[in-house]
Amino acid sequence: DIVMTQTPSSQAVSAGEKVTMSCKSSQSLLYSENKKNYLAWYQQKPGQSPKLLISWASTRESGVPDRFIGSGSGTDFTLTISSVQAEDLAVYYCEQYYDTPLTFGSGTKLEIK
Amino acid sequence: QVTLKESGPGILQPSQTLSLTCTFSGFSLSTYGMGVGWIRQPSGKGLEWLANIWWDDDKYYNPSLKNRLTISKDTSNNQAFLKITNVDTADTATYYCARITYWFAYWGQGTLVTVSS
Repeated sequence: DIVMTQTPSSQAVSAGEKVTMSCKSSQSLLYSENKKNYLAWYQQKPGQSPKLLISWASTRESGVPDRFIGSGSGTDFTLTISSVQAEDLAVYYCEQYYDTPLTFGSGTKLEIK
Repeated sequence: QVTLKESGPGILQPSQTLSLTCTFSGFSLSTYGMGVGWIRQPSGKGLEWLANIWWDDDKYYNPSLKNRLTISKDTSNNQAFLKITNVDTADTATYYCARITYWFAYWGQGTLVTVSS
């Protein structure tokens, strides 16, 4: 199984600040034939279902604010929120869809100071 | 507009079989490349993928649940199903269904299942 490791487990920032969170996979998620990274990021707000933010490691879903930026390749990935807003309070999960079993990281909980 | 909604028994006893239904709209499971997946989340914990079923009836399961899972679909009624046999308290969780192509693009609201004697 591909193990997804997210750090930190929680982070508290003030509105307007920049925040970065890491996701590392136990094997490369870069598929050589299409040069795509098989990694997605999800946001889960309190009491809600997860919502897809980013696919292919860096492609924002339609309607997702451009302050959410996905980057990285291979085994190391980052989700950056360039200027945190109060509504970004949530747990953020990465997920690999390179191979089954599909696996998620344990999440990074973002708290607003 | 894509929507999914899960339904289940709410509460069941250990050793029973859990039957879940996902009723969806806005897409068809007969369309090339479409799939439905099931994911669960114990209260306050992370996400665990359980199974996927695809437009061509291909099925994938999480081996950690060994042979307890069965996924199926009713294309004409826009439904997908998941059965989990021999449940125990560790299966207590919110169960989600989601539309999948590669990633889980759309999620249902989830249904809480409690296993308790």
